[in-house]
Amino acid sequence: AQKVTQAQTEISVVEKEDVTLDCVYETRDTTYYLFWYKQPPSGELVFLIRRNSFDEQNEISGRYSWNFQKSTSSFNFTITASQVVDSAVYFCALCPRGQNFVFGPGTRLSVLP
Amino acid sequence: IAGITQAPTSQILAAGRRMTLRCTQDMRHNAMYWYRQDLGLGLRLIHYSNTAGTTGKGEVPDGYSVSRANTDDFPLTLASAVPSQTSVYFCASSVSTDSNQPQHFGDGTRLSIL
Repeated sequence: AQKVTQAQTEISVVEKEDVTLDCVYETRDTTYYLFWYKQPPSGELVFLIRRNSFDEQNEISGRYSWNFQKSTSSFNFTITASQVVDSAVYFCALCPRGQNFVFGPGTRLSVLP
Repeated sequence: IAGITQAPTSQILAAGRRMTLRCTQDMRHNAMYWYRQDLGLGLRLIHYSNTAGTTGKGEVPDGYSVSRANTDDFPLTLASAVPSQTSVYFCASSVSTDSNQPQHFGDGTRLSIL
């Protein structure tokens, strides 16, 4: 069975703090893809990043970085120097090859000024 | 602007009524999806379509039906709405059902069943 766990239901930080959102996944498939989506207060879902199971290289995009570790089945997302505009619900998703997406329950991040 | 359009934006519906949520995309994506979003549960797949003329059941299909007469449109129908179908519904599309393809989402429909 496929499963995505985001243990942090809600996180609050003060602006400029760094914050890491955890994502742990379960799958028996050896080929799969991992995704992060952002859902700001306006409600739409915005695609942030995709990573395949054969590429454990970490990725950085501006203030965002992602740490993929197959050994711990984790795909964590770090925001450096957080800003109020980062306030949103963040979803991690797993897609094993040939199957449908499985989304985690989401983590609500509040960045306080 | 290319993307996915969902209608209505929100709706309040009496239990037992029939309701169709509309979804149209102009990206010529082959695959389309319907999800429901509930607090603490994330997004759960209701139905999907790999290509025009085909549909499949997702994780929570009961009480819902879909059709895919053409590439652009993927309506979701609640034949007889029940209060447990109160949720936010998202339509999504992707170039194909290849696992590496990100899904692009509409703005959602907030549905309340009384």
